[in-house]
Amino acid sequence: GESVGLHLPTLSVQEGDNSIINCAYSNSASDYFIWYKQESGKGPQFIIDIRSNMDKRQGQRVTVLLNKTVKHLSLQIAATQPGDSAVYFCAENPLRQGAQKLVFGQGTRLTINP
Amino acid sequence: DTGVSQDPRHKITKRGQNVTFRCDPISEHNRLYWYRQTLGQGPEFLTYFQNEAQLEKSRLLSDRFSAERPKGSFSTLEIQRTEQGDSAMYLCASRKGGAGFTEAFFGQGTRLTVV
Repeated sequence: GESVGLHLPTLSVQEGDNSIINCAYSNSASDYFIWYKQESGKGPQFIIDIRSNMDKRQGQRVTVLLNKTVKHLSLQIAATQPGDSAVYFCAENPLRQGAQKLVFGQGTRLTINP
Repeated sequence: DTGVSQDPRHKITKRGQNVTFRCDPISEHNRLYWYRQTLGQGPEFLTYFQNEAQLEKSRLLSDRFSAERPKGSFSTLEIQRTEQGDSAMYLCASRKGGAGFTEAFFGQGTRLTVV
């Protein structure tokens, strides 16, 4: 069945350090993945996406890595800032199955320590 | 601000009452989604519209829930005979159509509390 899970529910890092948030997915038919950031009381905010024909994609201070062999996704945030504190969700879309929805994982709470 | 608007932002209702939420997607987006999110969990898919057609509904969407998108623009989600278990954040998202999946933009959500 579909499931998207995360290795760690919480992550604390020092301001200025790099952080890595991991995500495992189980649906081998998924071919599109998104990372969202959600701050308290707000809706999810798009960070970066990646398609299954890629294994790495970079944005501003963020990098997403996709390992299809082990069905693993990670989000790397460089030089974390206090504003990076939030819950981060990975989500997948099994488009090859004709699905038009995103399936979300539970989320990882990232805390930036001063 | 993503451009997806939801109203109201908060709703407190007594058990057994009906509630209706509204979502205004980004104007050129023909795909619209409703999700539900409970505390500490990721959003769960409820239903999906392509233009005015409701193409997919989750098993989470009981017969007390109904969603519409009459003109292919804004959408409403109604919950009849609310129960305490309906308390959650209800999120709306929209995206452009076309081949492949594209970035979905979420609204700020409507937080429902059933007392």
